Amino acid sequence: QKEVEQNSGPLSVPEGAIASLNCTYSDRGSQSFFWYRQYSGKSPELIMFIYSNGDKEDGRFTAQLNKASQYVSLLIRDSQPSDSATYLCAVIAGGSYIPTFGRGTSLIVHP
Amino acid sequence: DGGITQSPKYLFRKEGQNVTLSCEQNLNHDAMYWYRQDPGQGLRLIYYSQIVNDFQKGDIAEGYSVSREKKESFPLTVTSAQKNPTAFYLCASSIFLARGSGNTIYFGEGSWLTVV
Repeated sequence: QKEVEQNSGPLSVPEGAIASLNCTYSDRGSQSFFWYRQYSGKSPELIMFIYSNGDKEDGRFTAQLNKASQYVSLLIRDSQPSDSATYLCAVIAGGSYIPTFGRGTSLIVHP
Repeated sequence: DGGITQSPKYLFRKEGQNVTLSCEQNLNHDAMYWYRQDPGQGLRLIYYSQIVNDFQKGDIAEGYSVSREKKESFPLTVTSAQKNPTAFYLCASSIFLARGSGNTIYFGEGSWLTVV
């Protein structure tokens, strides 16, 4: 069973701070990694994807991938109250084409 | 606008009734998916389809059925055999079924199904 683990939270950060969200996965052969944001009662929206070790930046978001340690992180700089949502990590394991989703981490950004 | 359209947004099902959720996409994506999400839970895969007239069971296919007669359409039927159907249902699509960016999944707005 391919597993993707996330701390359910909530993670509470003050406005303007850096929010750090983490995701670990069990399959060492995993190839593709995705972060989605899901507001309460809404569908998930893609934030970014990453395939290679290291960092990938898109605006205020940075994804960090460490395949040796089998984790992927999402950093949100200058957090805003509008960033308050659940963040889902998805991983495509080796030998598969279908992403497995974690349960998500709830982020609360307070003014 | 390109996107994935799900309907209805809210649906109520009586005991013993079959209901069908519609999903249409105009993104020209080959692959389509159905996920179920329960409160506080992650997404669980029900069915997926890589190509017209072909589909595969996901992790929780029992009590559900699908068809893929057109590239744009992937309806989900929740049958009376599904004992706990109350959930948020998400239709999704990707360019094609492969590793890498081609399998970036995009979601529709979702359908809420409640048993009454």
